[in-house]
Amino acid sequence: ETGVTQTPRHLVMGMTNKKSLKCEQHLGHNAMYWYKQSAKKPLELMFVYNFKEQTENNSVPSRFSPECPNSSHLFLHLHTLQPEDSALYLCASSQDRGGAKNIQYFGAGTRLSVL
Amino acid sequence: AQKITQTQPGMFVQEKEAVTLDCTYDTSDQSYGLFWYKQPSSGEMIFLIYQGSYDEQNATEGRYSLNFQKARKSANLVISASQLGDSAMYFCAMREGRRGNQGGKLIFGQGTELSVKP
Repeated sequence: ETGVTQTPRHLVMGMTNKKSLKCEQHLGHNAMYWYKQSAKKPLELMFVYNFKEQTENNSVPSRFSPECPNSSHLFLHLHTLQPEDSALYLCASSQDRGGAKNIQYFGAGTRLSVL
Repeated sequence: AQKITQTQPGMFVQEKEAVTLDCTYDTSDQSYGLFWYKQPSSGEMIFLIYQGSYDEQNATEGRYSLNFQKARKSANLVISASQLGDSAMYFCAMREGRRGNQGGKLIFGQGTELSVKP
């Protein structure tokens, strides 16, 4: 148990559906992240939030909409997704003080299938 | 631009033996950090070990050690006394030091799938 909880663990949705992924961290960290992991590919950073402010949007399509109401919660709202968006979506948190040592702790991920 | 390369898509090791997973990196920064994560089939990424670019000693955490060769830009993970539970994907990652308000991204390699044989 890393202290980062993601729900749901599995999600199947149609291309016209709207769904949300939830991430909660119990570590008192100030930064939260969304990553996408497609089969046979490295993790791709999607969004970064630091003290609830978005500091990174890695050219993610607008059909992915993040929300960070406070430093402990992070959501990823999904709408009109494409089959190629099927992947494992991982949330992470860290205590980011700047510098290179920024250990990110990950949740177990949401495995998303878009039909 | 920073880059991480893991050239071993898959590795096999006999239980109780040691194994080395390779990682090379590229960066023009003097300040950076190197990380190793383990990802079992369940999907969760588990942090294993960290090495800072200015650290003179190789990092160690239990059965994990990081063989840091700065001049060669390599940061290989050594797992001693392999166990069946070590079977997983292993990812090397790097983060450059932050400049001002710009946070350095954590960049991951392609991963190495380790299988431990009984």
